[in-house]
Amino acid sequence: NAGVTQTPKFQVLKTGQSMTLQCAQDMNHEYMSWYRQDPGMGLRLIHYSVGAGITDQGEVPNGYNVSRSTTEDFPLRLLSAAPSQTSVYFCASSYSDSQNTEAFFGQGTRLTVV
Amino acid sequence: QQPVQSPQAVILREGEDAVINCSSSKALYSVHWYRQKHGEAPVFLMILLKGGEQKGHEKISASFNEKKQQSSLYLTASQLSYSGTYFCGTGSLYNQGGKLIFGQGTELSVKP
Repeated sequence: NAGVTQTPKFQVLKTGQSMTLQCAQDMNHEYMSWYRQDPGMGLRLIHYSVGAGITDQGEVPNGYNVSRSTTEDFPLRLLSAAPSQTSVYFCASSYSDSQNTEAFFGQGTRLTVV
Repeated sequence: QQPVQSPQAVILREGEDAVINCSSSKALYSVHWYRQKHGEAPVFLMILLKGGEQKGHEKISASFNEKKQQSSLYLTASQLSYSGTYFCGTGSLYNQGGKLIFGQGTELSVKP
């Protein structure tokens, strides 16, 4: 039982490049979400999903796209990377209503945009 | 809108107590508490729900004041292992099933 798995762990991008951060969970959780963590800003919600085929925006969605074609996977796409997107990205999942139940976090992806 | 945590940082000696506060401008349905060690993922501590009781976890407990839209995390007789950044996450009363929004974090350092 791997929990929440994020890949890659580290990534360096050039400005303007695109890439996809992968997130997979094997706990059959309905809820999945993406956060970015910056010094002094805490965890800020980018996008979240309440189930396969359903996604919604969080606090800071600009520059990011998501889709949820399966229960297990919730990839985050950066369309055209900018230095302001340098951050640590965490994926999380929970059984049902994310407000009622414990969220399980992946180990994070450290992204640097130069 | 993010909940506001205070203090931003605190330094303790082993055995001392600490309180971390979390305030929201929105009517709350739930408050979550997580701890994150440096370079690791946040780890769940507890959830407090509207109408629920004060929770406890070893020497760490928390309260939820619905009227003031505030929660407090109490760490008693602190241990070195308590060091890390503590985050509160809030669920809005009027957006159930939706977003969990985190505060900016409180960095706790416990010294020998």
